[in-house]
Amino acid sequence: EVKLQQSGDELVRPGASVKISCKASGYTFTNYAMYWVKQSPGQGLEWIGTIIPLIDTTSYNQKFKGKATLTADKSSNTAYMELSRLTSEDSAVYYCARDYPGYYVMDAWGQGASVTVSS
Amino acid sequence: DIQMTQSPPSLSASLGETVSIECRASEDIYSNLAWYQQKSGKSPQLLIYYASSLQDGVPSRFSGSGSGTQYSLKISGMQPEDEGVYYCLQGSKYPLTFGSGTKLEIK
Repeated sequence: EVKLQQSGDELVRPGASVKISCKASGYTFTNYAMYWVKQSPGQGLEWIGTIIPLIDTTSYNQKFKGKATLTADKSSNTAYMELSRLTSEDSAVYYCARDYPGYYVMDAWGQGASVTVSS
Repeated sequence: DIQMTQSPPSLSASLGETVSIECRASEDIYSNLAWYQQKSGKSPQLLIYYASSLQDGVPSRFSGSGSGTQYSLKISGMQPEDEGVYYCLQGSKYPLTFGSGTKLEIK
């Protein structure tokens, strides 16, 4: 069974950074790209970026360049997203999701990690 | 960026009713279109990919169609468990973009 287990909810101060993890199991981690998606409260879905763990290549939505940094640790089958210089606009649920090869869509999702930015 | 215009924003249907949700892309996306269902407090679940291919485990009452810039999701026979928000996603070109969602409720 494919499973993406994300780290827990975070409460962070404005201006700080936060790093969310996504541990993959049930498949070969390096064979699939990983997406990250933002869902603001009561809002829709936004693609943040994609990482290909096998070759450590990343693609970012221009809107999130400088805000999000995607990395992957092949030894632990874990993908990470770090968000920097947090503001209230970054308060949201963040999902990791596995790529469905050949179709550029997400076929399995993590449970989501809520980030709340507040002083 | 490719804009995905989804309609209607909300919909209420009776049990057993057939419902349709539409997505229009701002340019040809060559059937690179997926549909997701998101239930309250849960992660999105893939229903349909490549416009009309049913994801494994998804009930056959869900179907997708379309080409070019116009796509639709049909639910043939609304069930209580179909309540949720539905999103389309274009995977033709980066940045990947989602529709704004359709909230589907039981009447």
